[in-house]
Amino acid sequence: KAGVTQTPRYLIKTRGQQVTLSCSPISGHRSVSWYQQTPGQGLQFLFEYFSETQRNKGNFPGRFSGRQFSNSRSEMNVSTLELGDSALYLCASSSGLAGADTQYFGPGTRLTVL
Amino acid sequence: GIQVEQSPPDLILQEGANSTLRCNFSDSVNNLQWFHQNPWGQLINLFYIPSGTKQNGRLSATTVATERYSLLYISSSQTTDSGVYFCAVELIYNQGGKLIFGQGTELSVKP
Repeated sequence: KAGVTQTPRYLIKTRGQQVTLSCSPISGHRSVSWYQQTPGQGLQFLFEYFSETQRNKGNFPGRFSGRQFSNSRSEMNVSTLELGDSALYLCASSSGLAGADTQYFGPGTRLTVL
Repeated sequence: GIQVEQSPPDLILQEGANSTLRCNFSDSVNNLQWFHQNPWGQLINLFYIPSGTKQNGRLSATTVATERYSLLYISSSQTTDSGVYFCAVELIYNQGGKLIFGQGTELSVKP
């Protein structure tokens, strides 16, 4: 079956703009999580959605938001972009049985903020 | 919060050598995964291993949950093994899980 897909793969924006990233999970998976990877902070959890509901949120400002649709596809949005938002954004999909299932990652979206 | 520490941070090997990567975590966890991040940034699942030992080809992993560590063994390394290896522990909140990652071990295998 197809893996996790993320679009777009690369994105260049300027400060103050907003951006929307998309993630399509593995067919049948109902949980989608988002992570930010930067050289300084490493991989950090942003949020997790399950059946269109946010179950958990990491320690990020309110400029970072997300949603999940009825087909389990998820989008994350970052408003009022800052230089420090430049990062690789990864999404992961799983069945949603926390603690009992593997998370599978997509190829990521590399965001550059100028 | 829980701390996840990986060692060594960097490792350079000659092709054919063996290596052991270590992951220590500071508290009880629900599960642990090992990933390999390829040069394009994708995280590839290696092992889902909350406890015990698993093997997959030249790779094997052992987690001793009671002592809060996990080991990843790479035997007969190949240049394609190069990249960053992450361990991640899963914490459960509100019936959902989140992964806490270590800082990674960057492996370079020379021909």
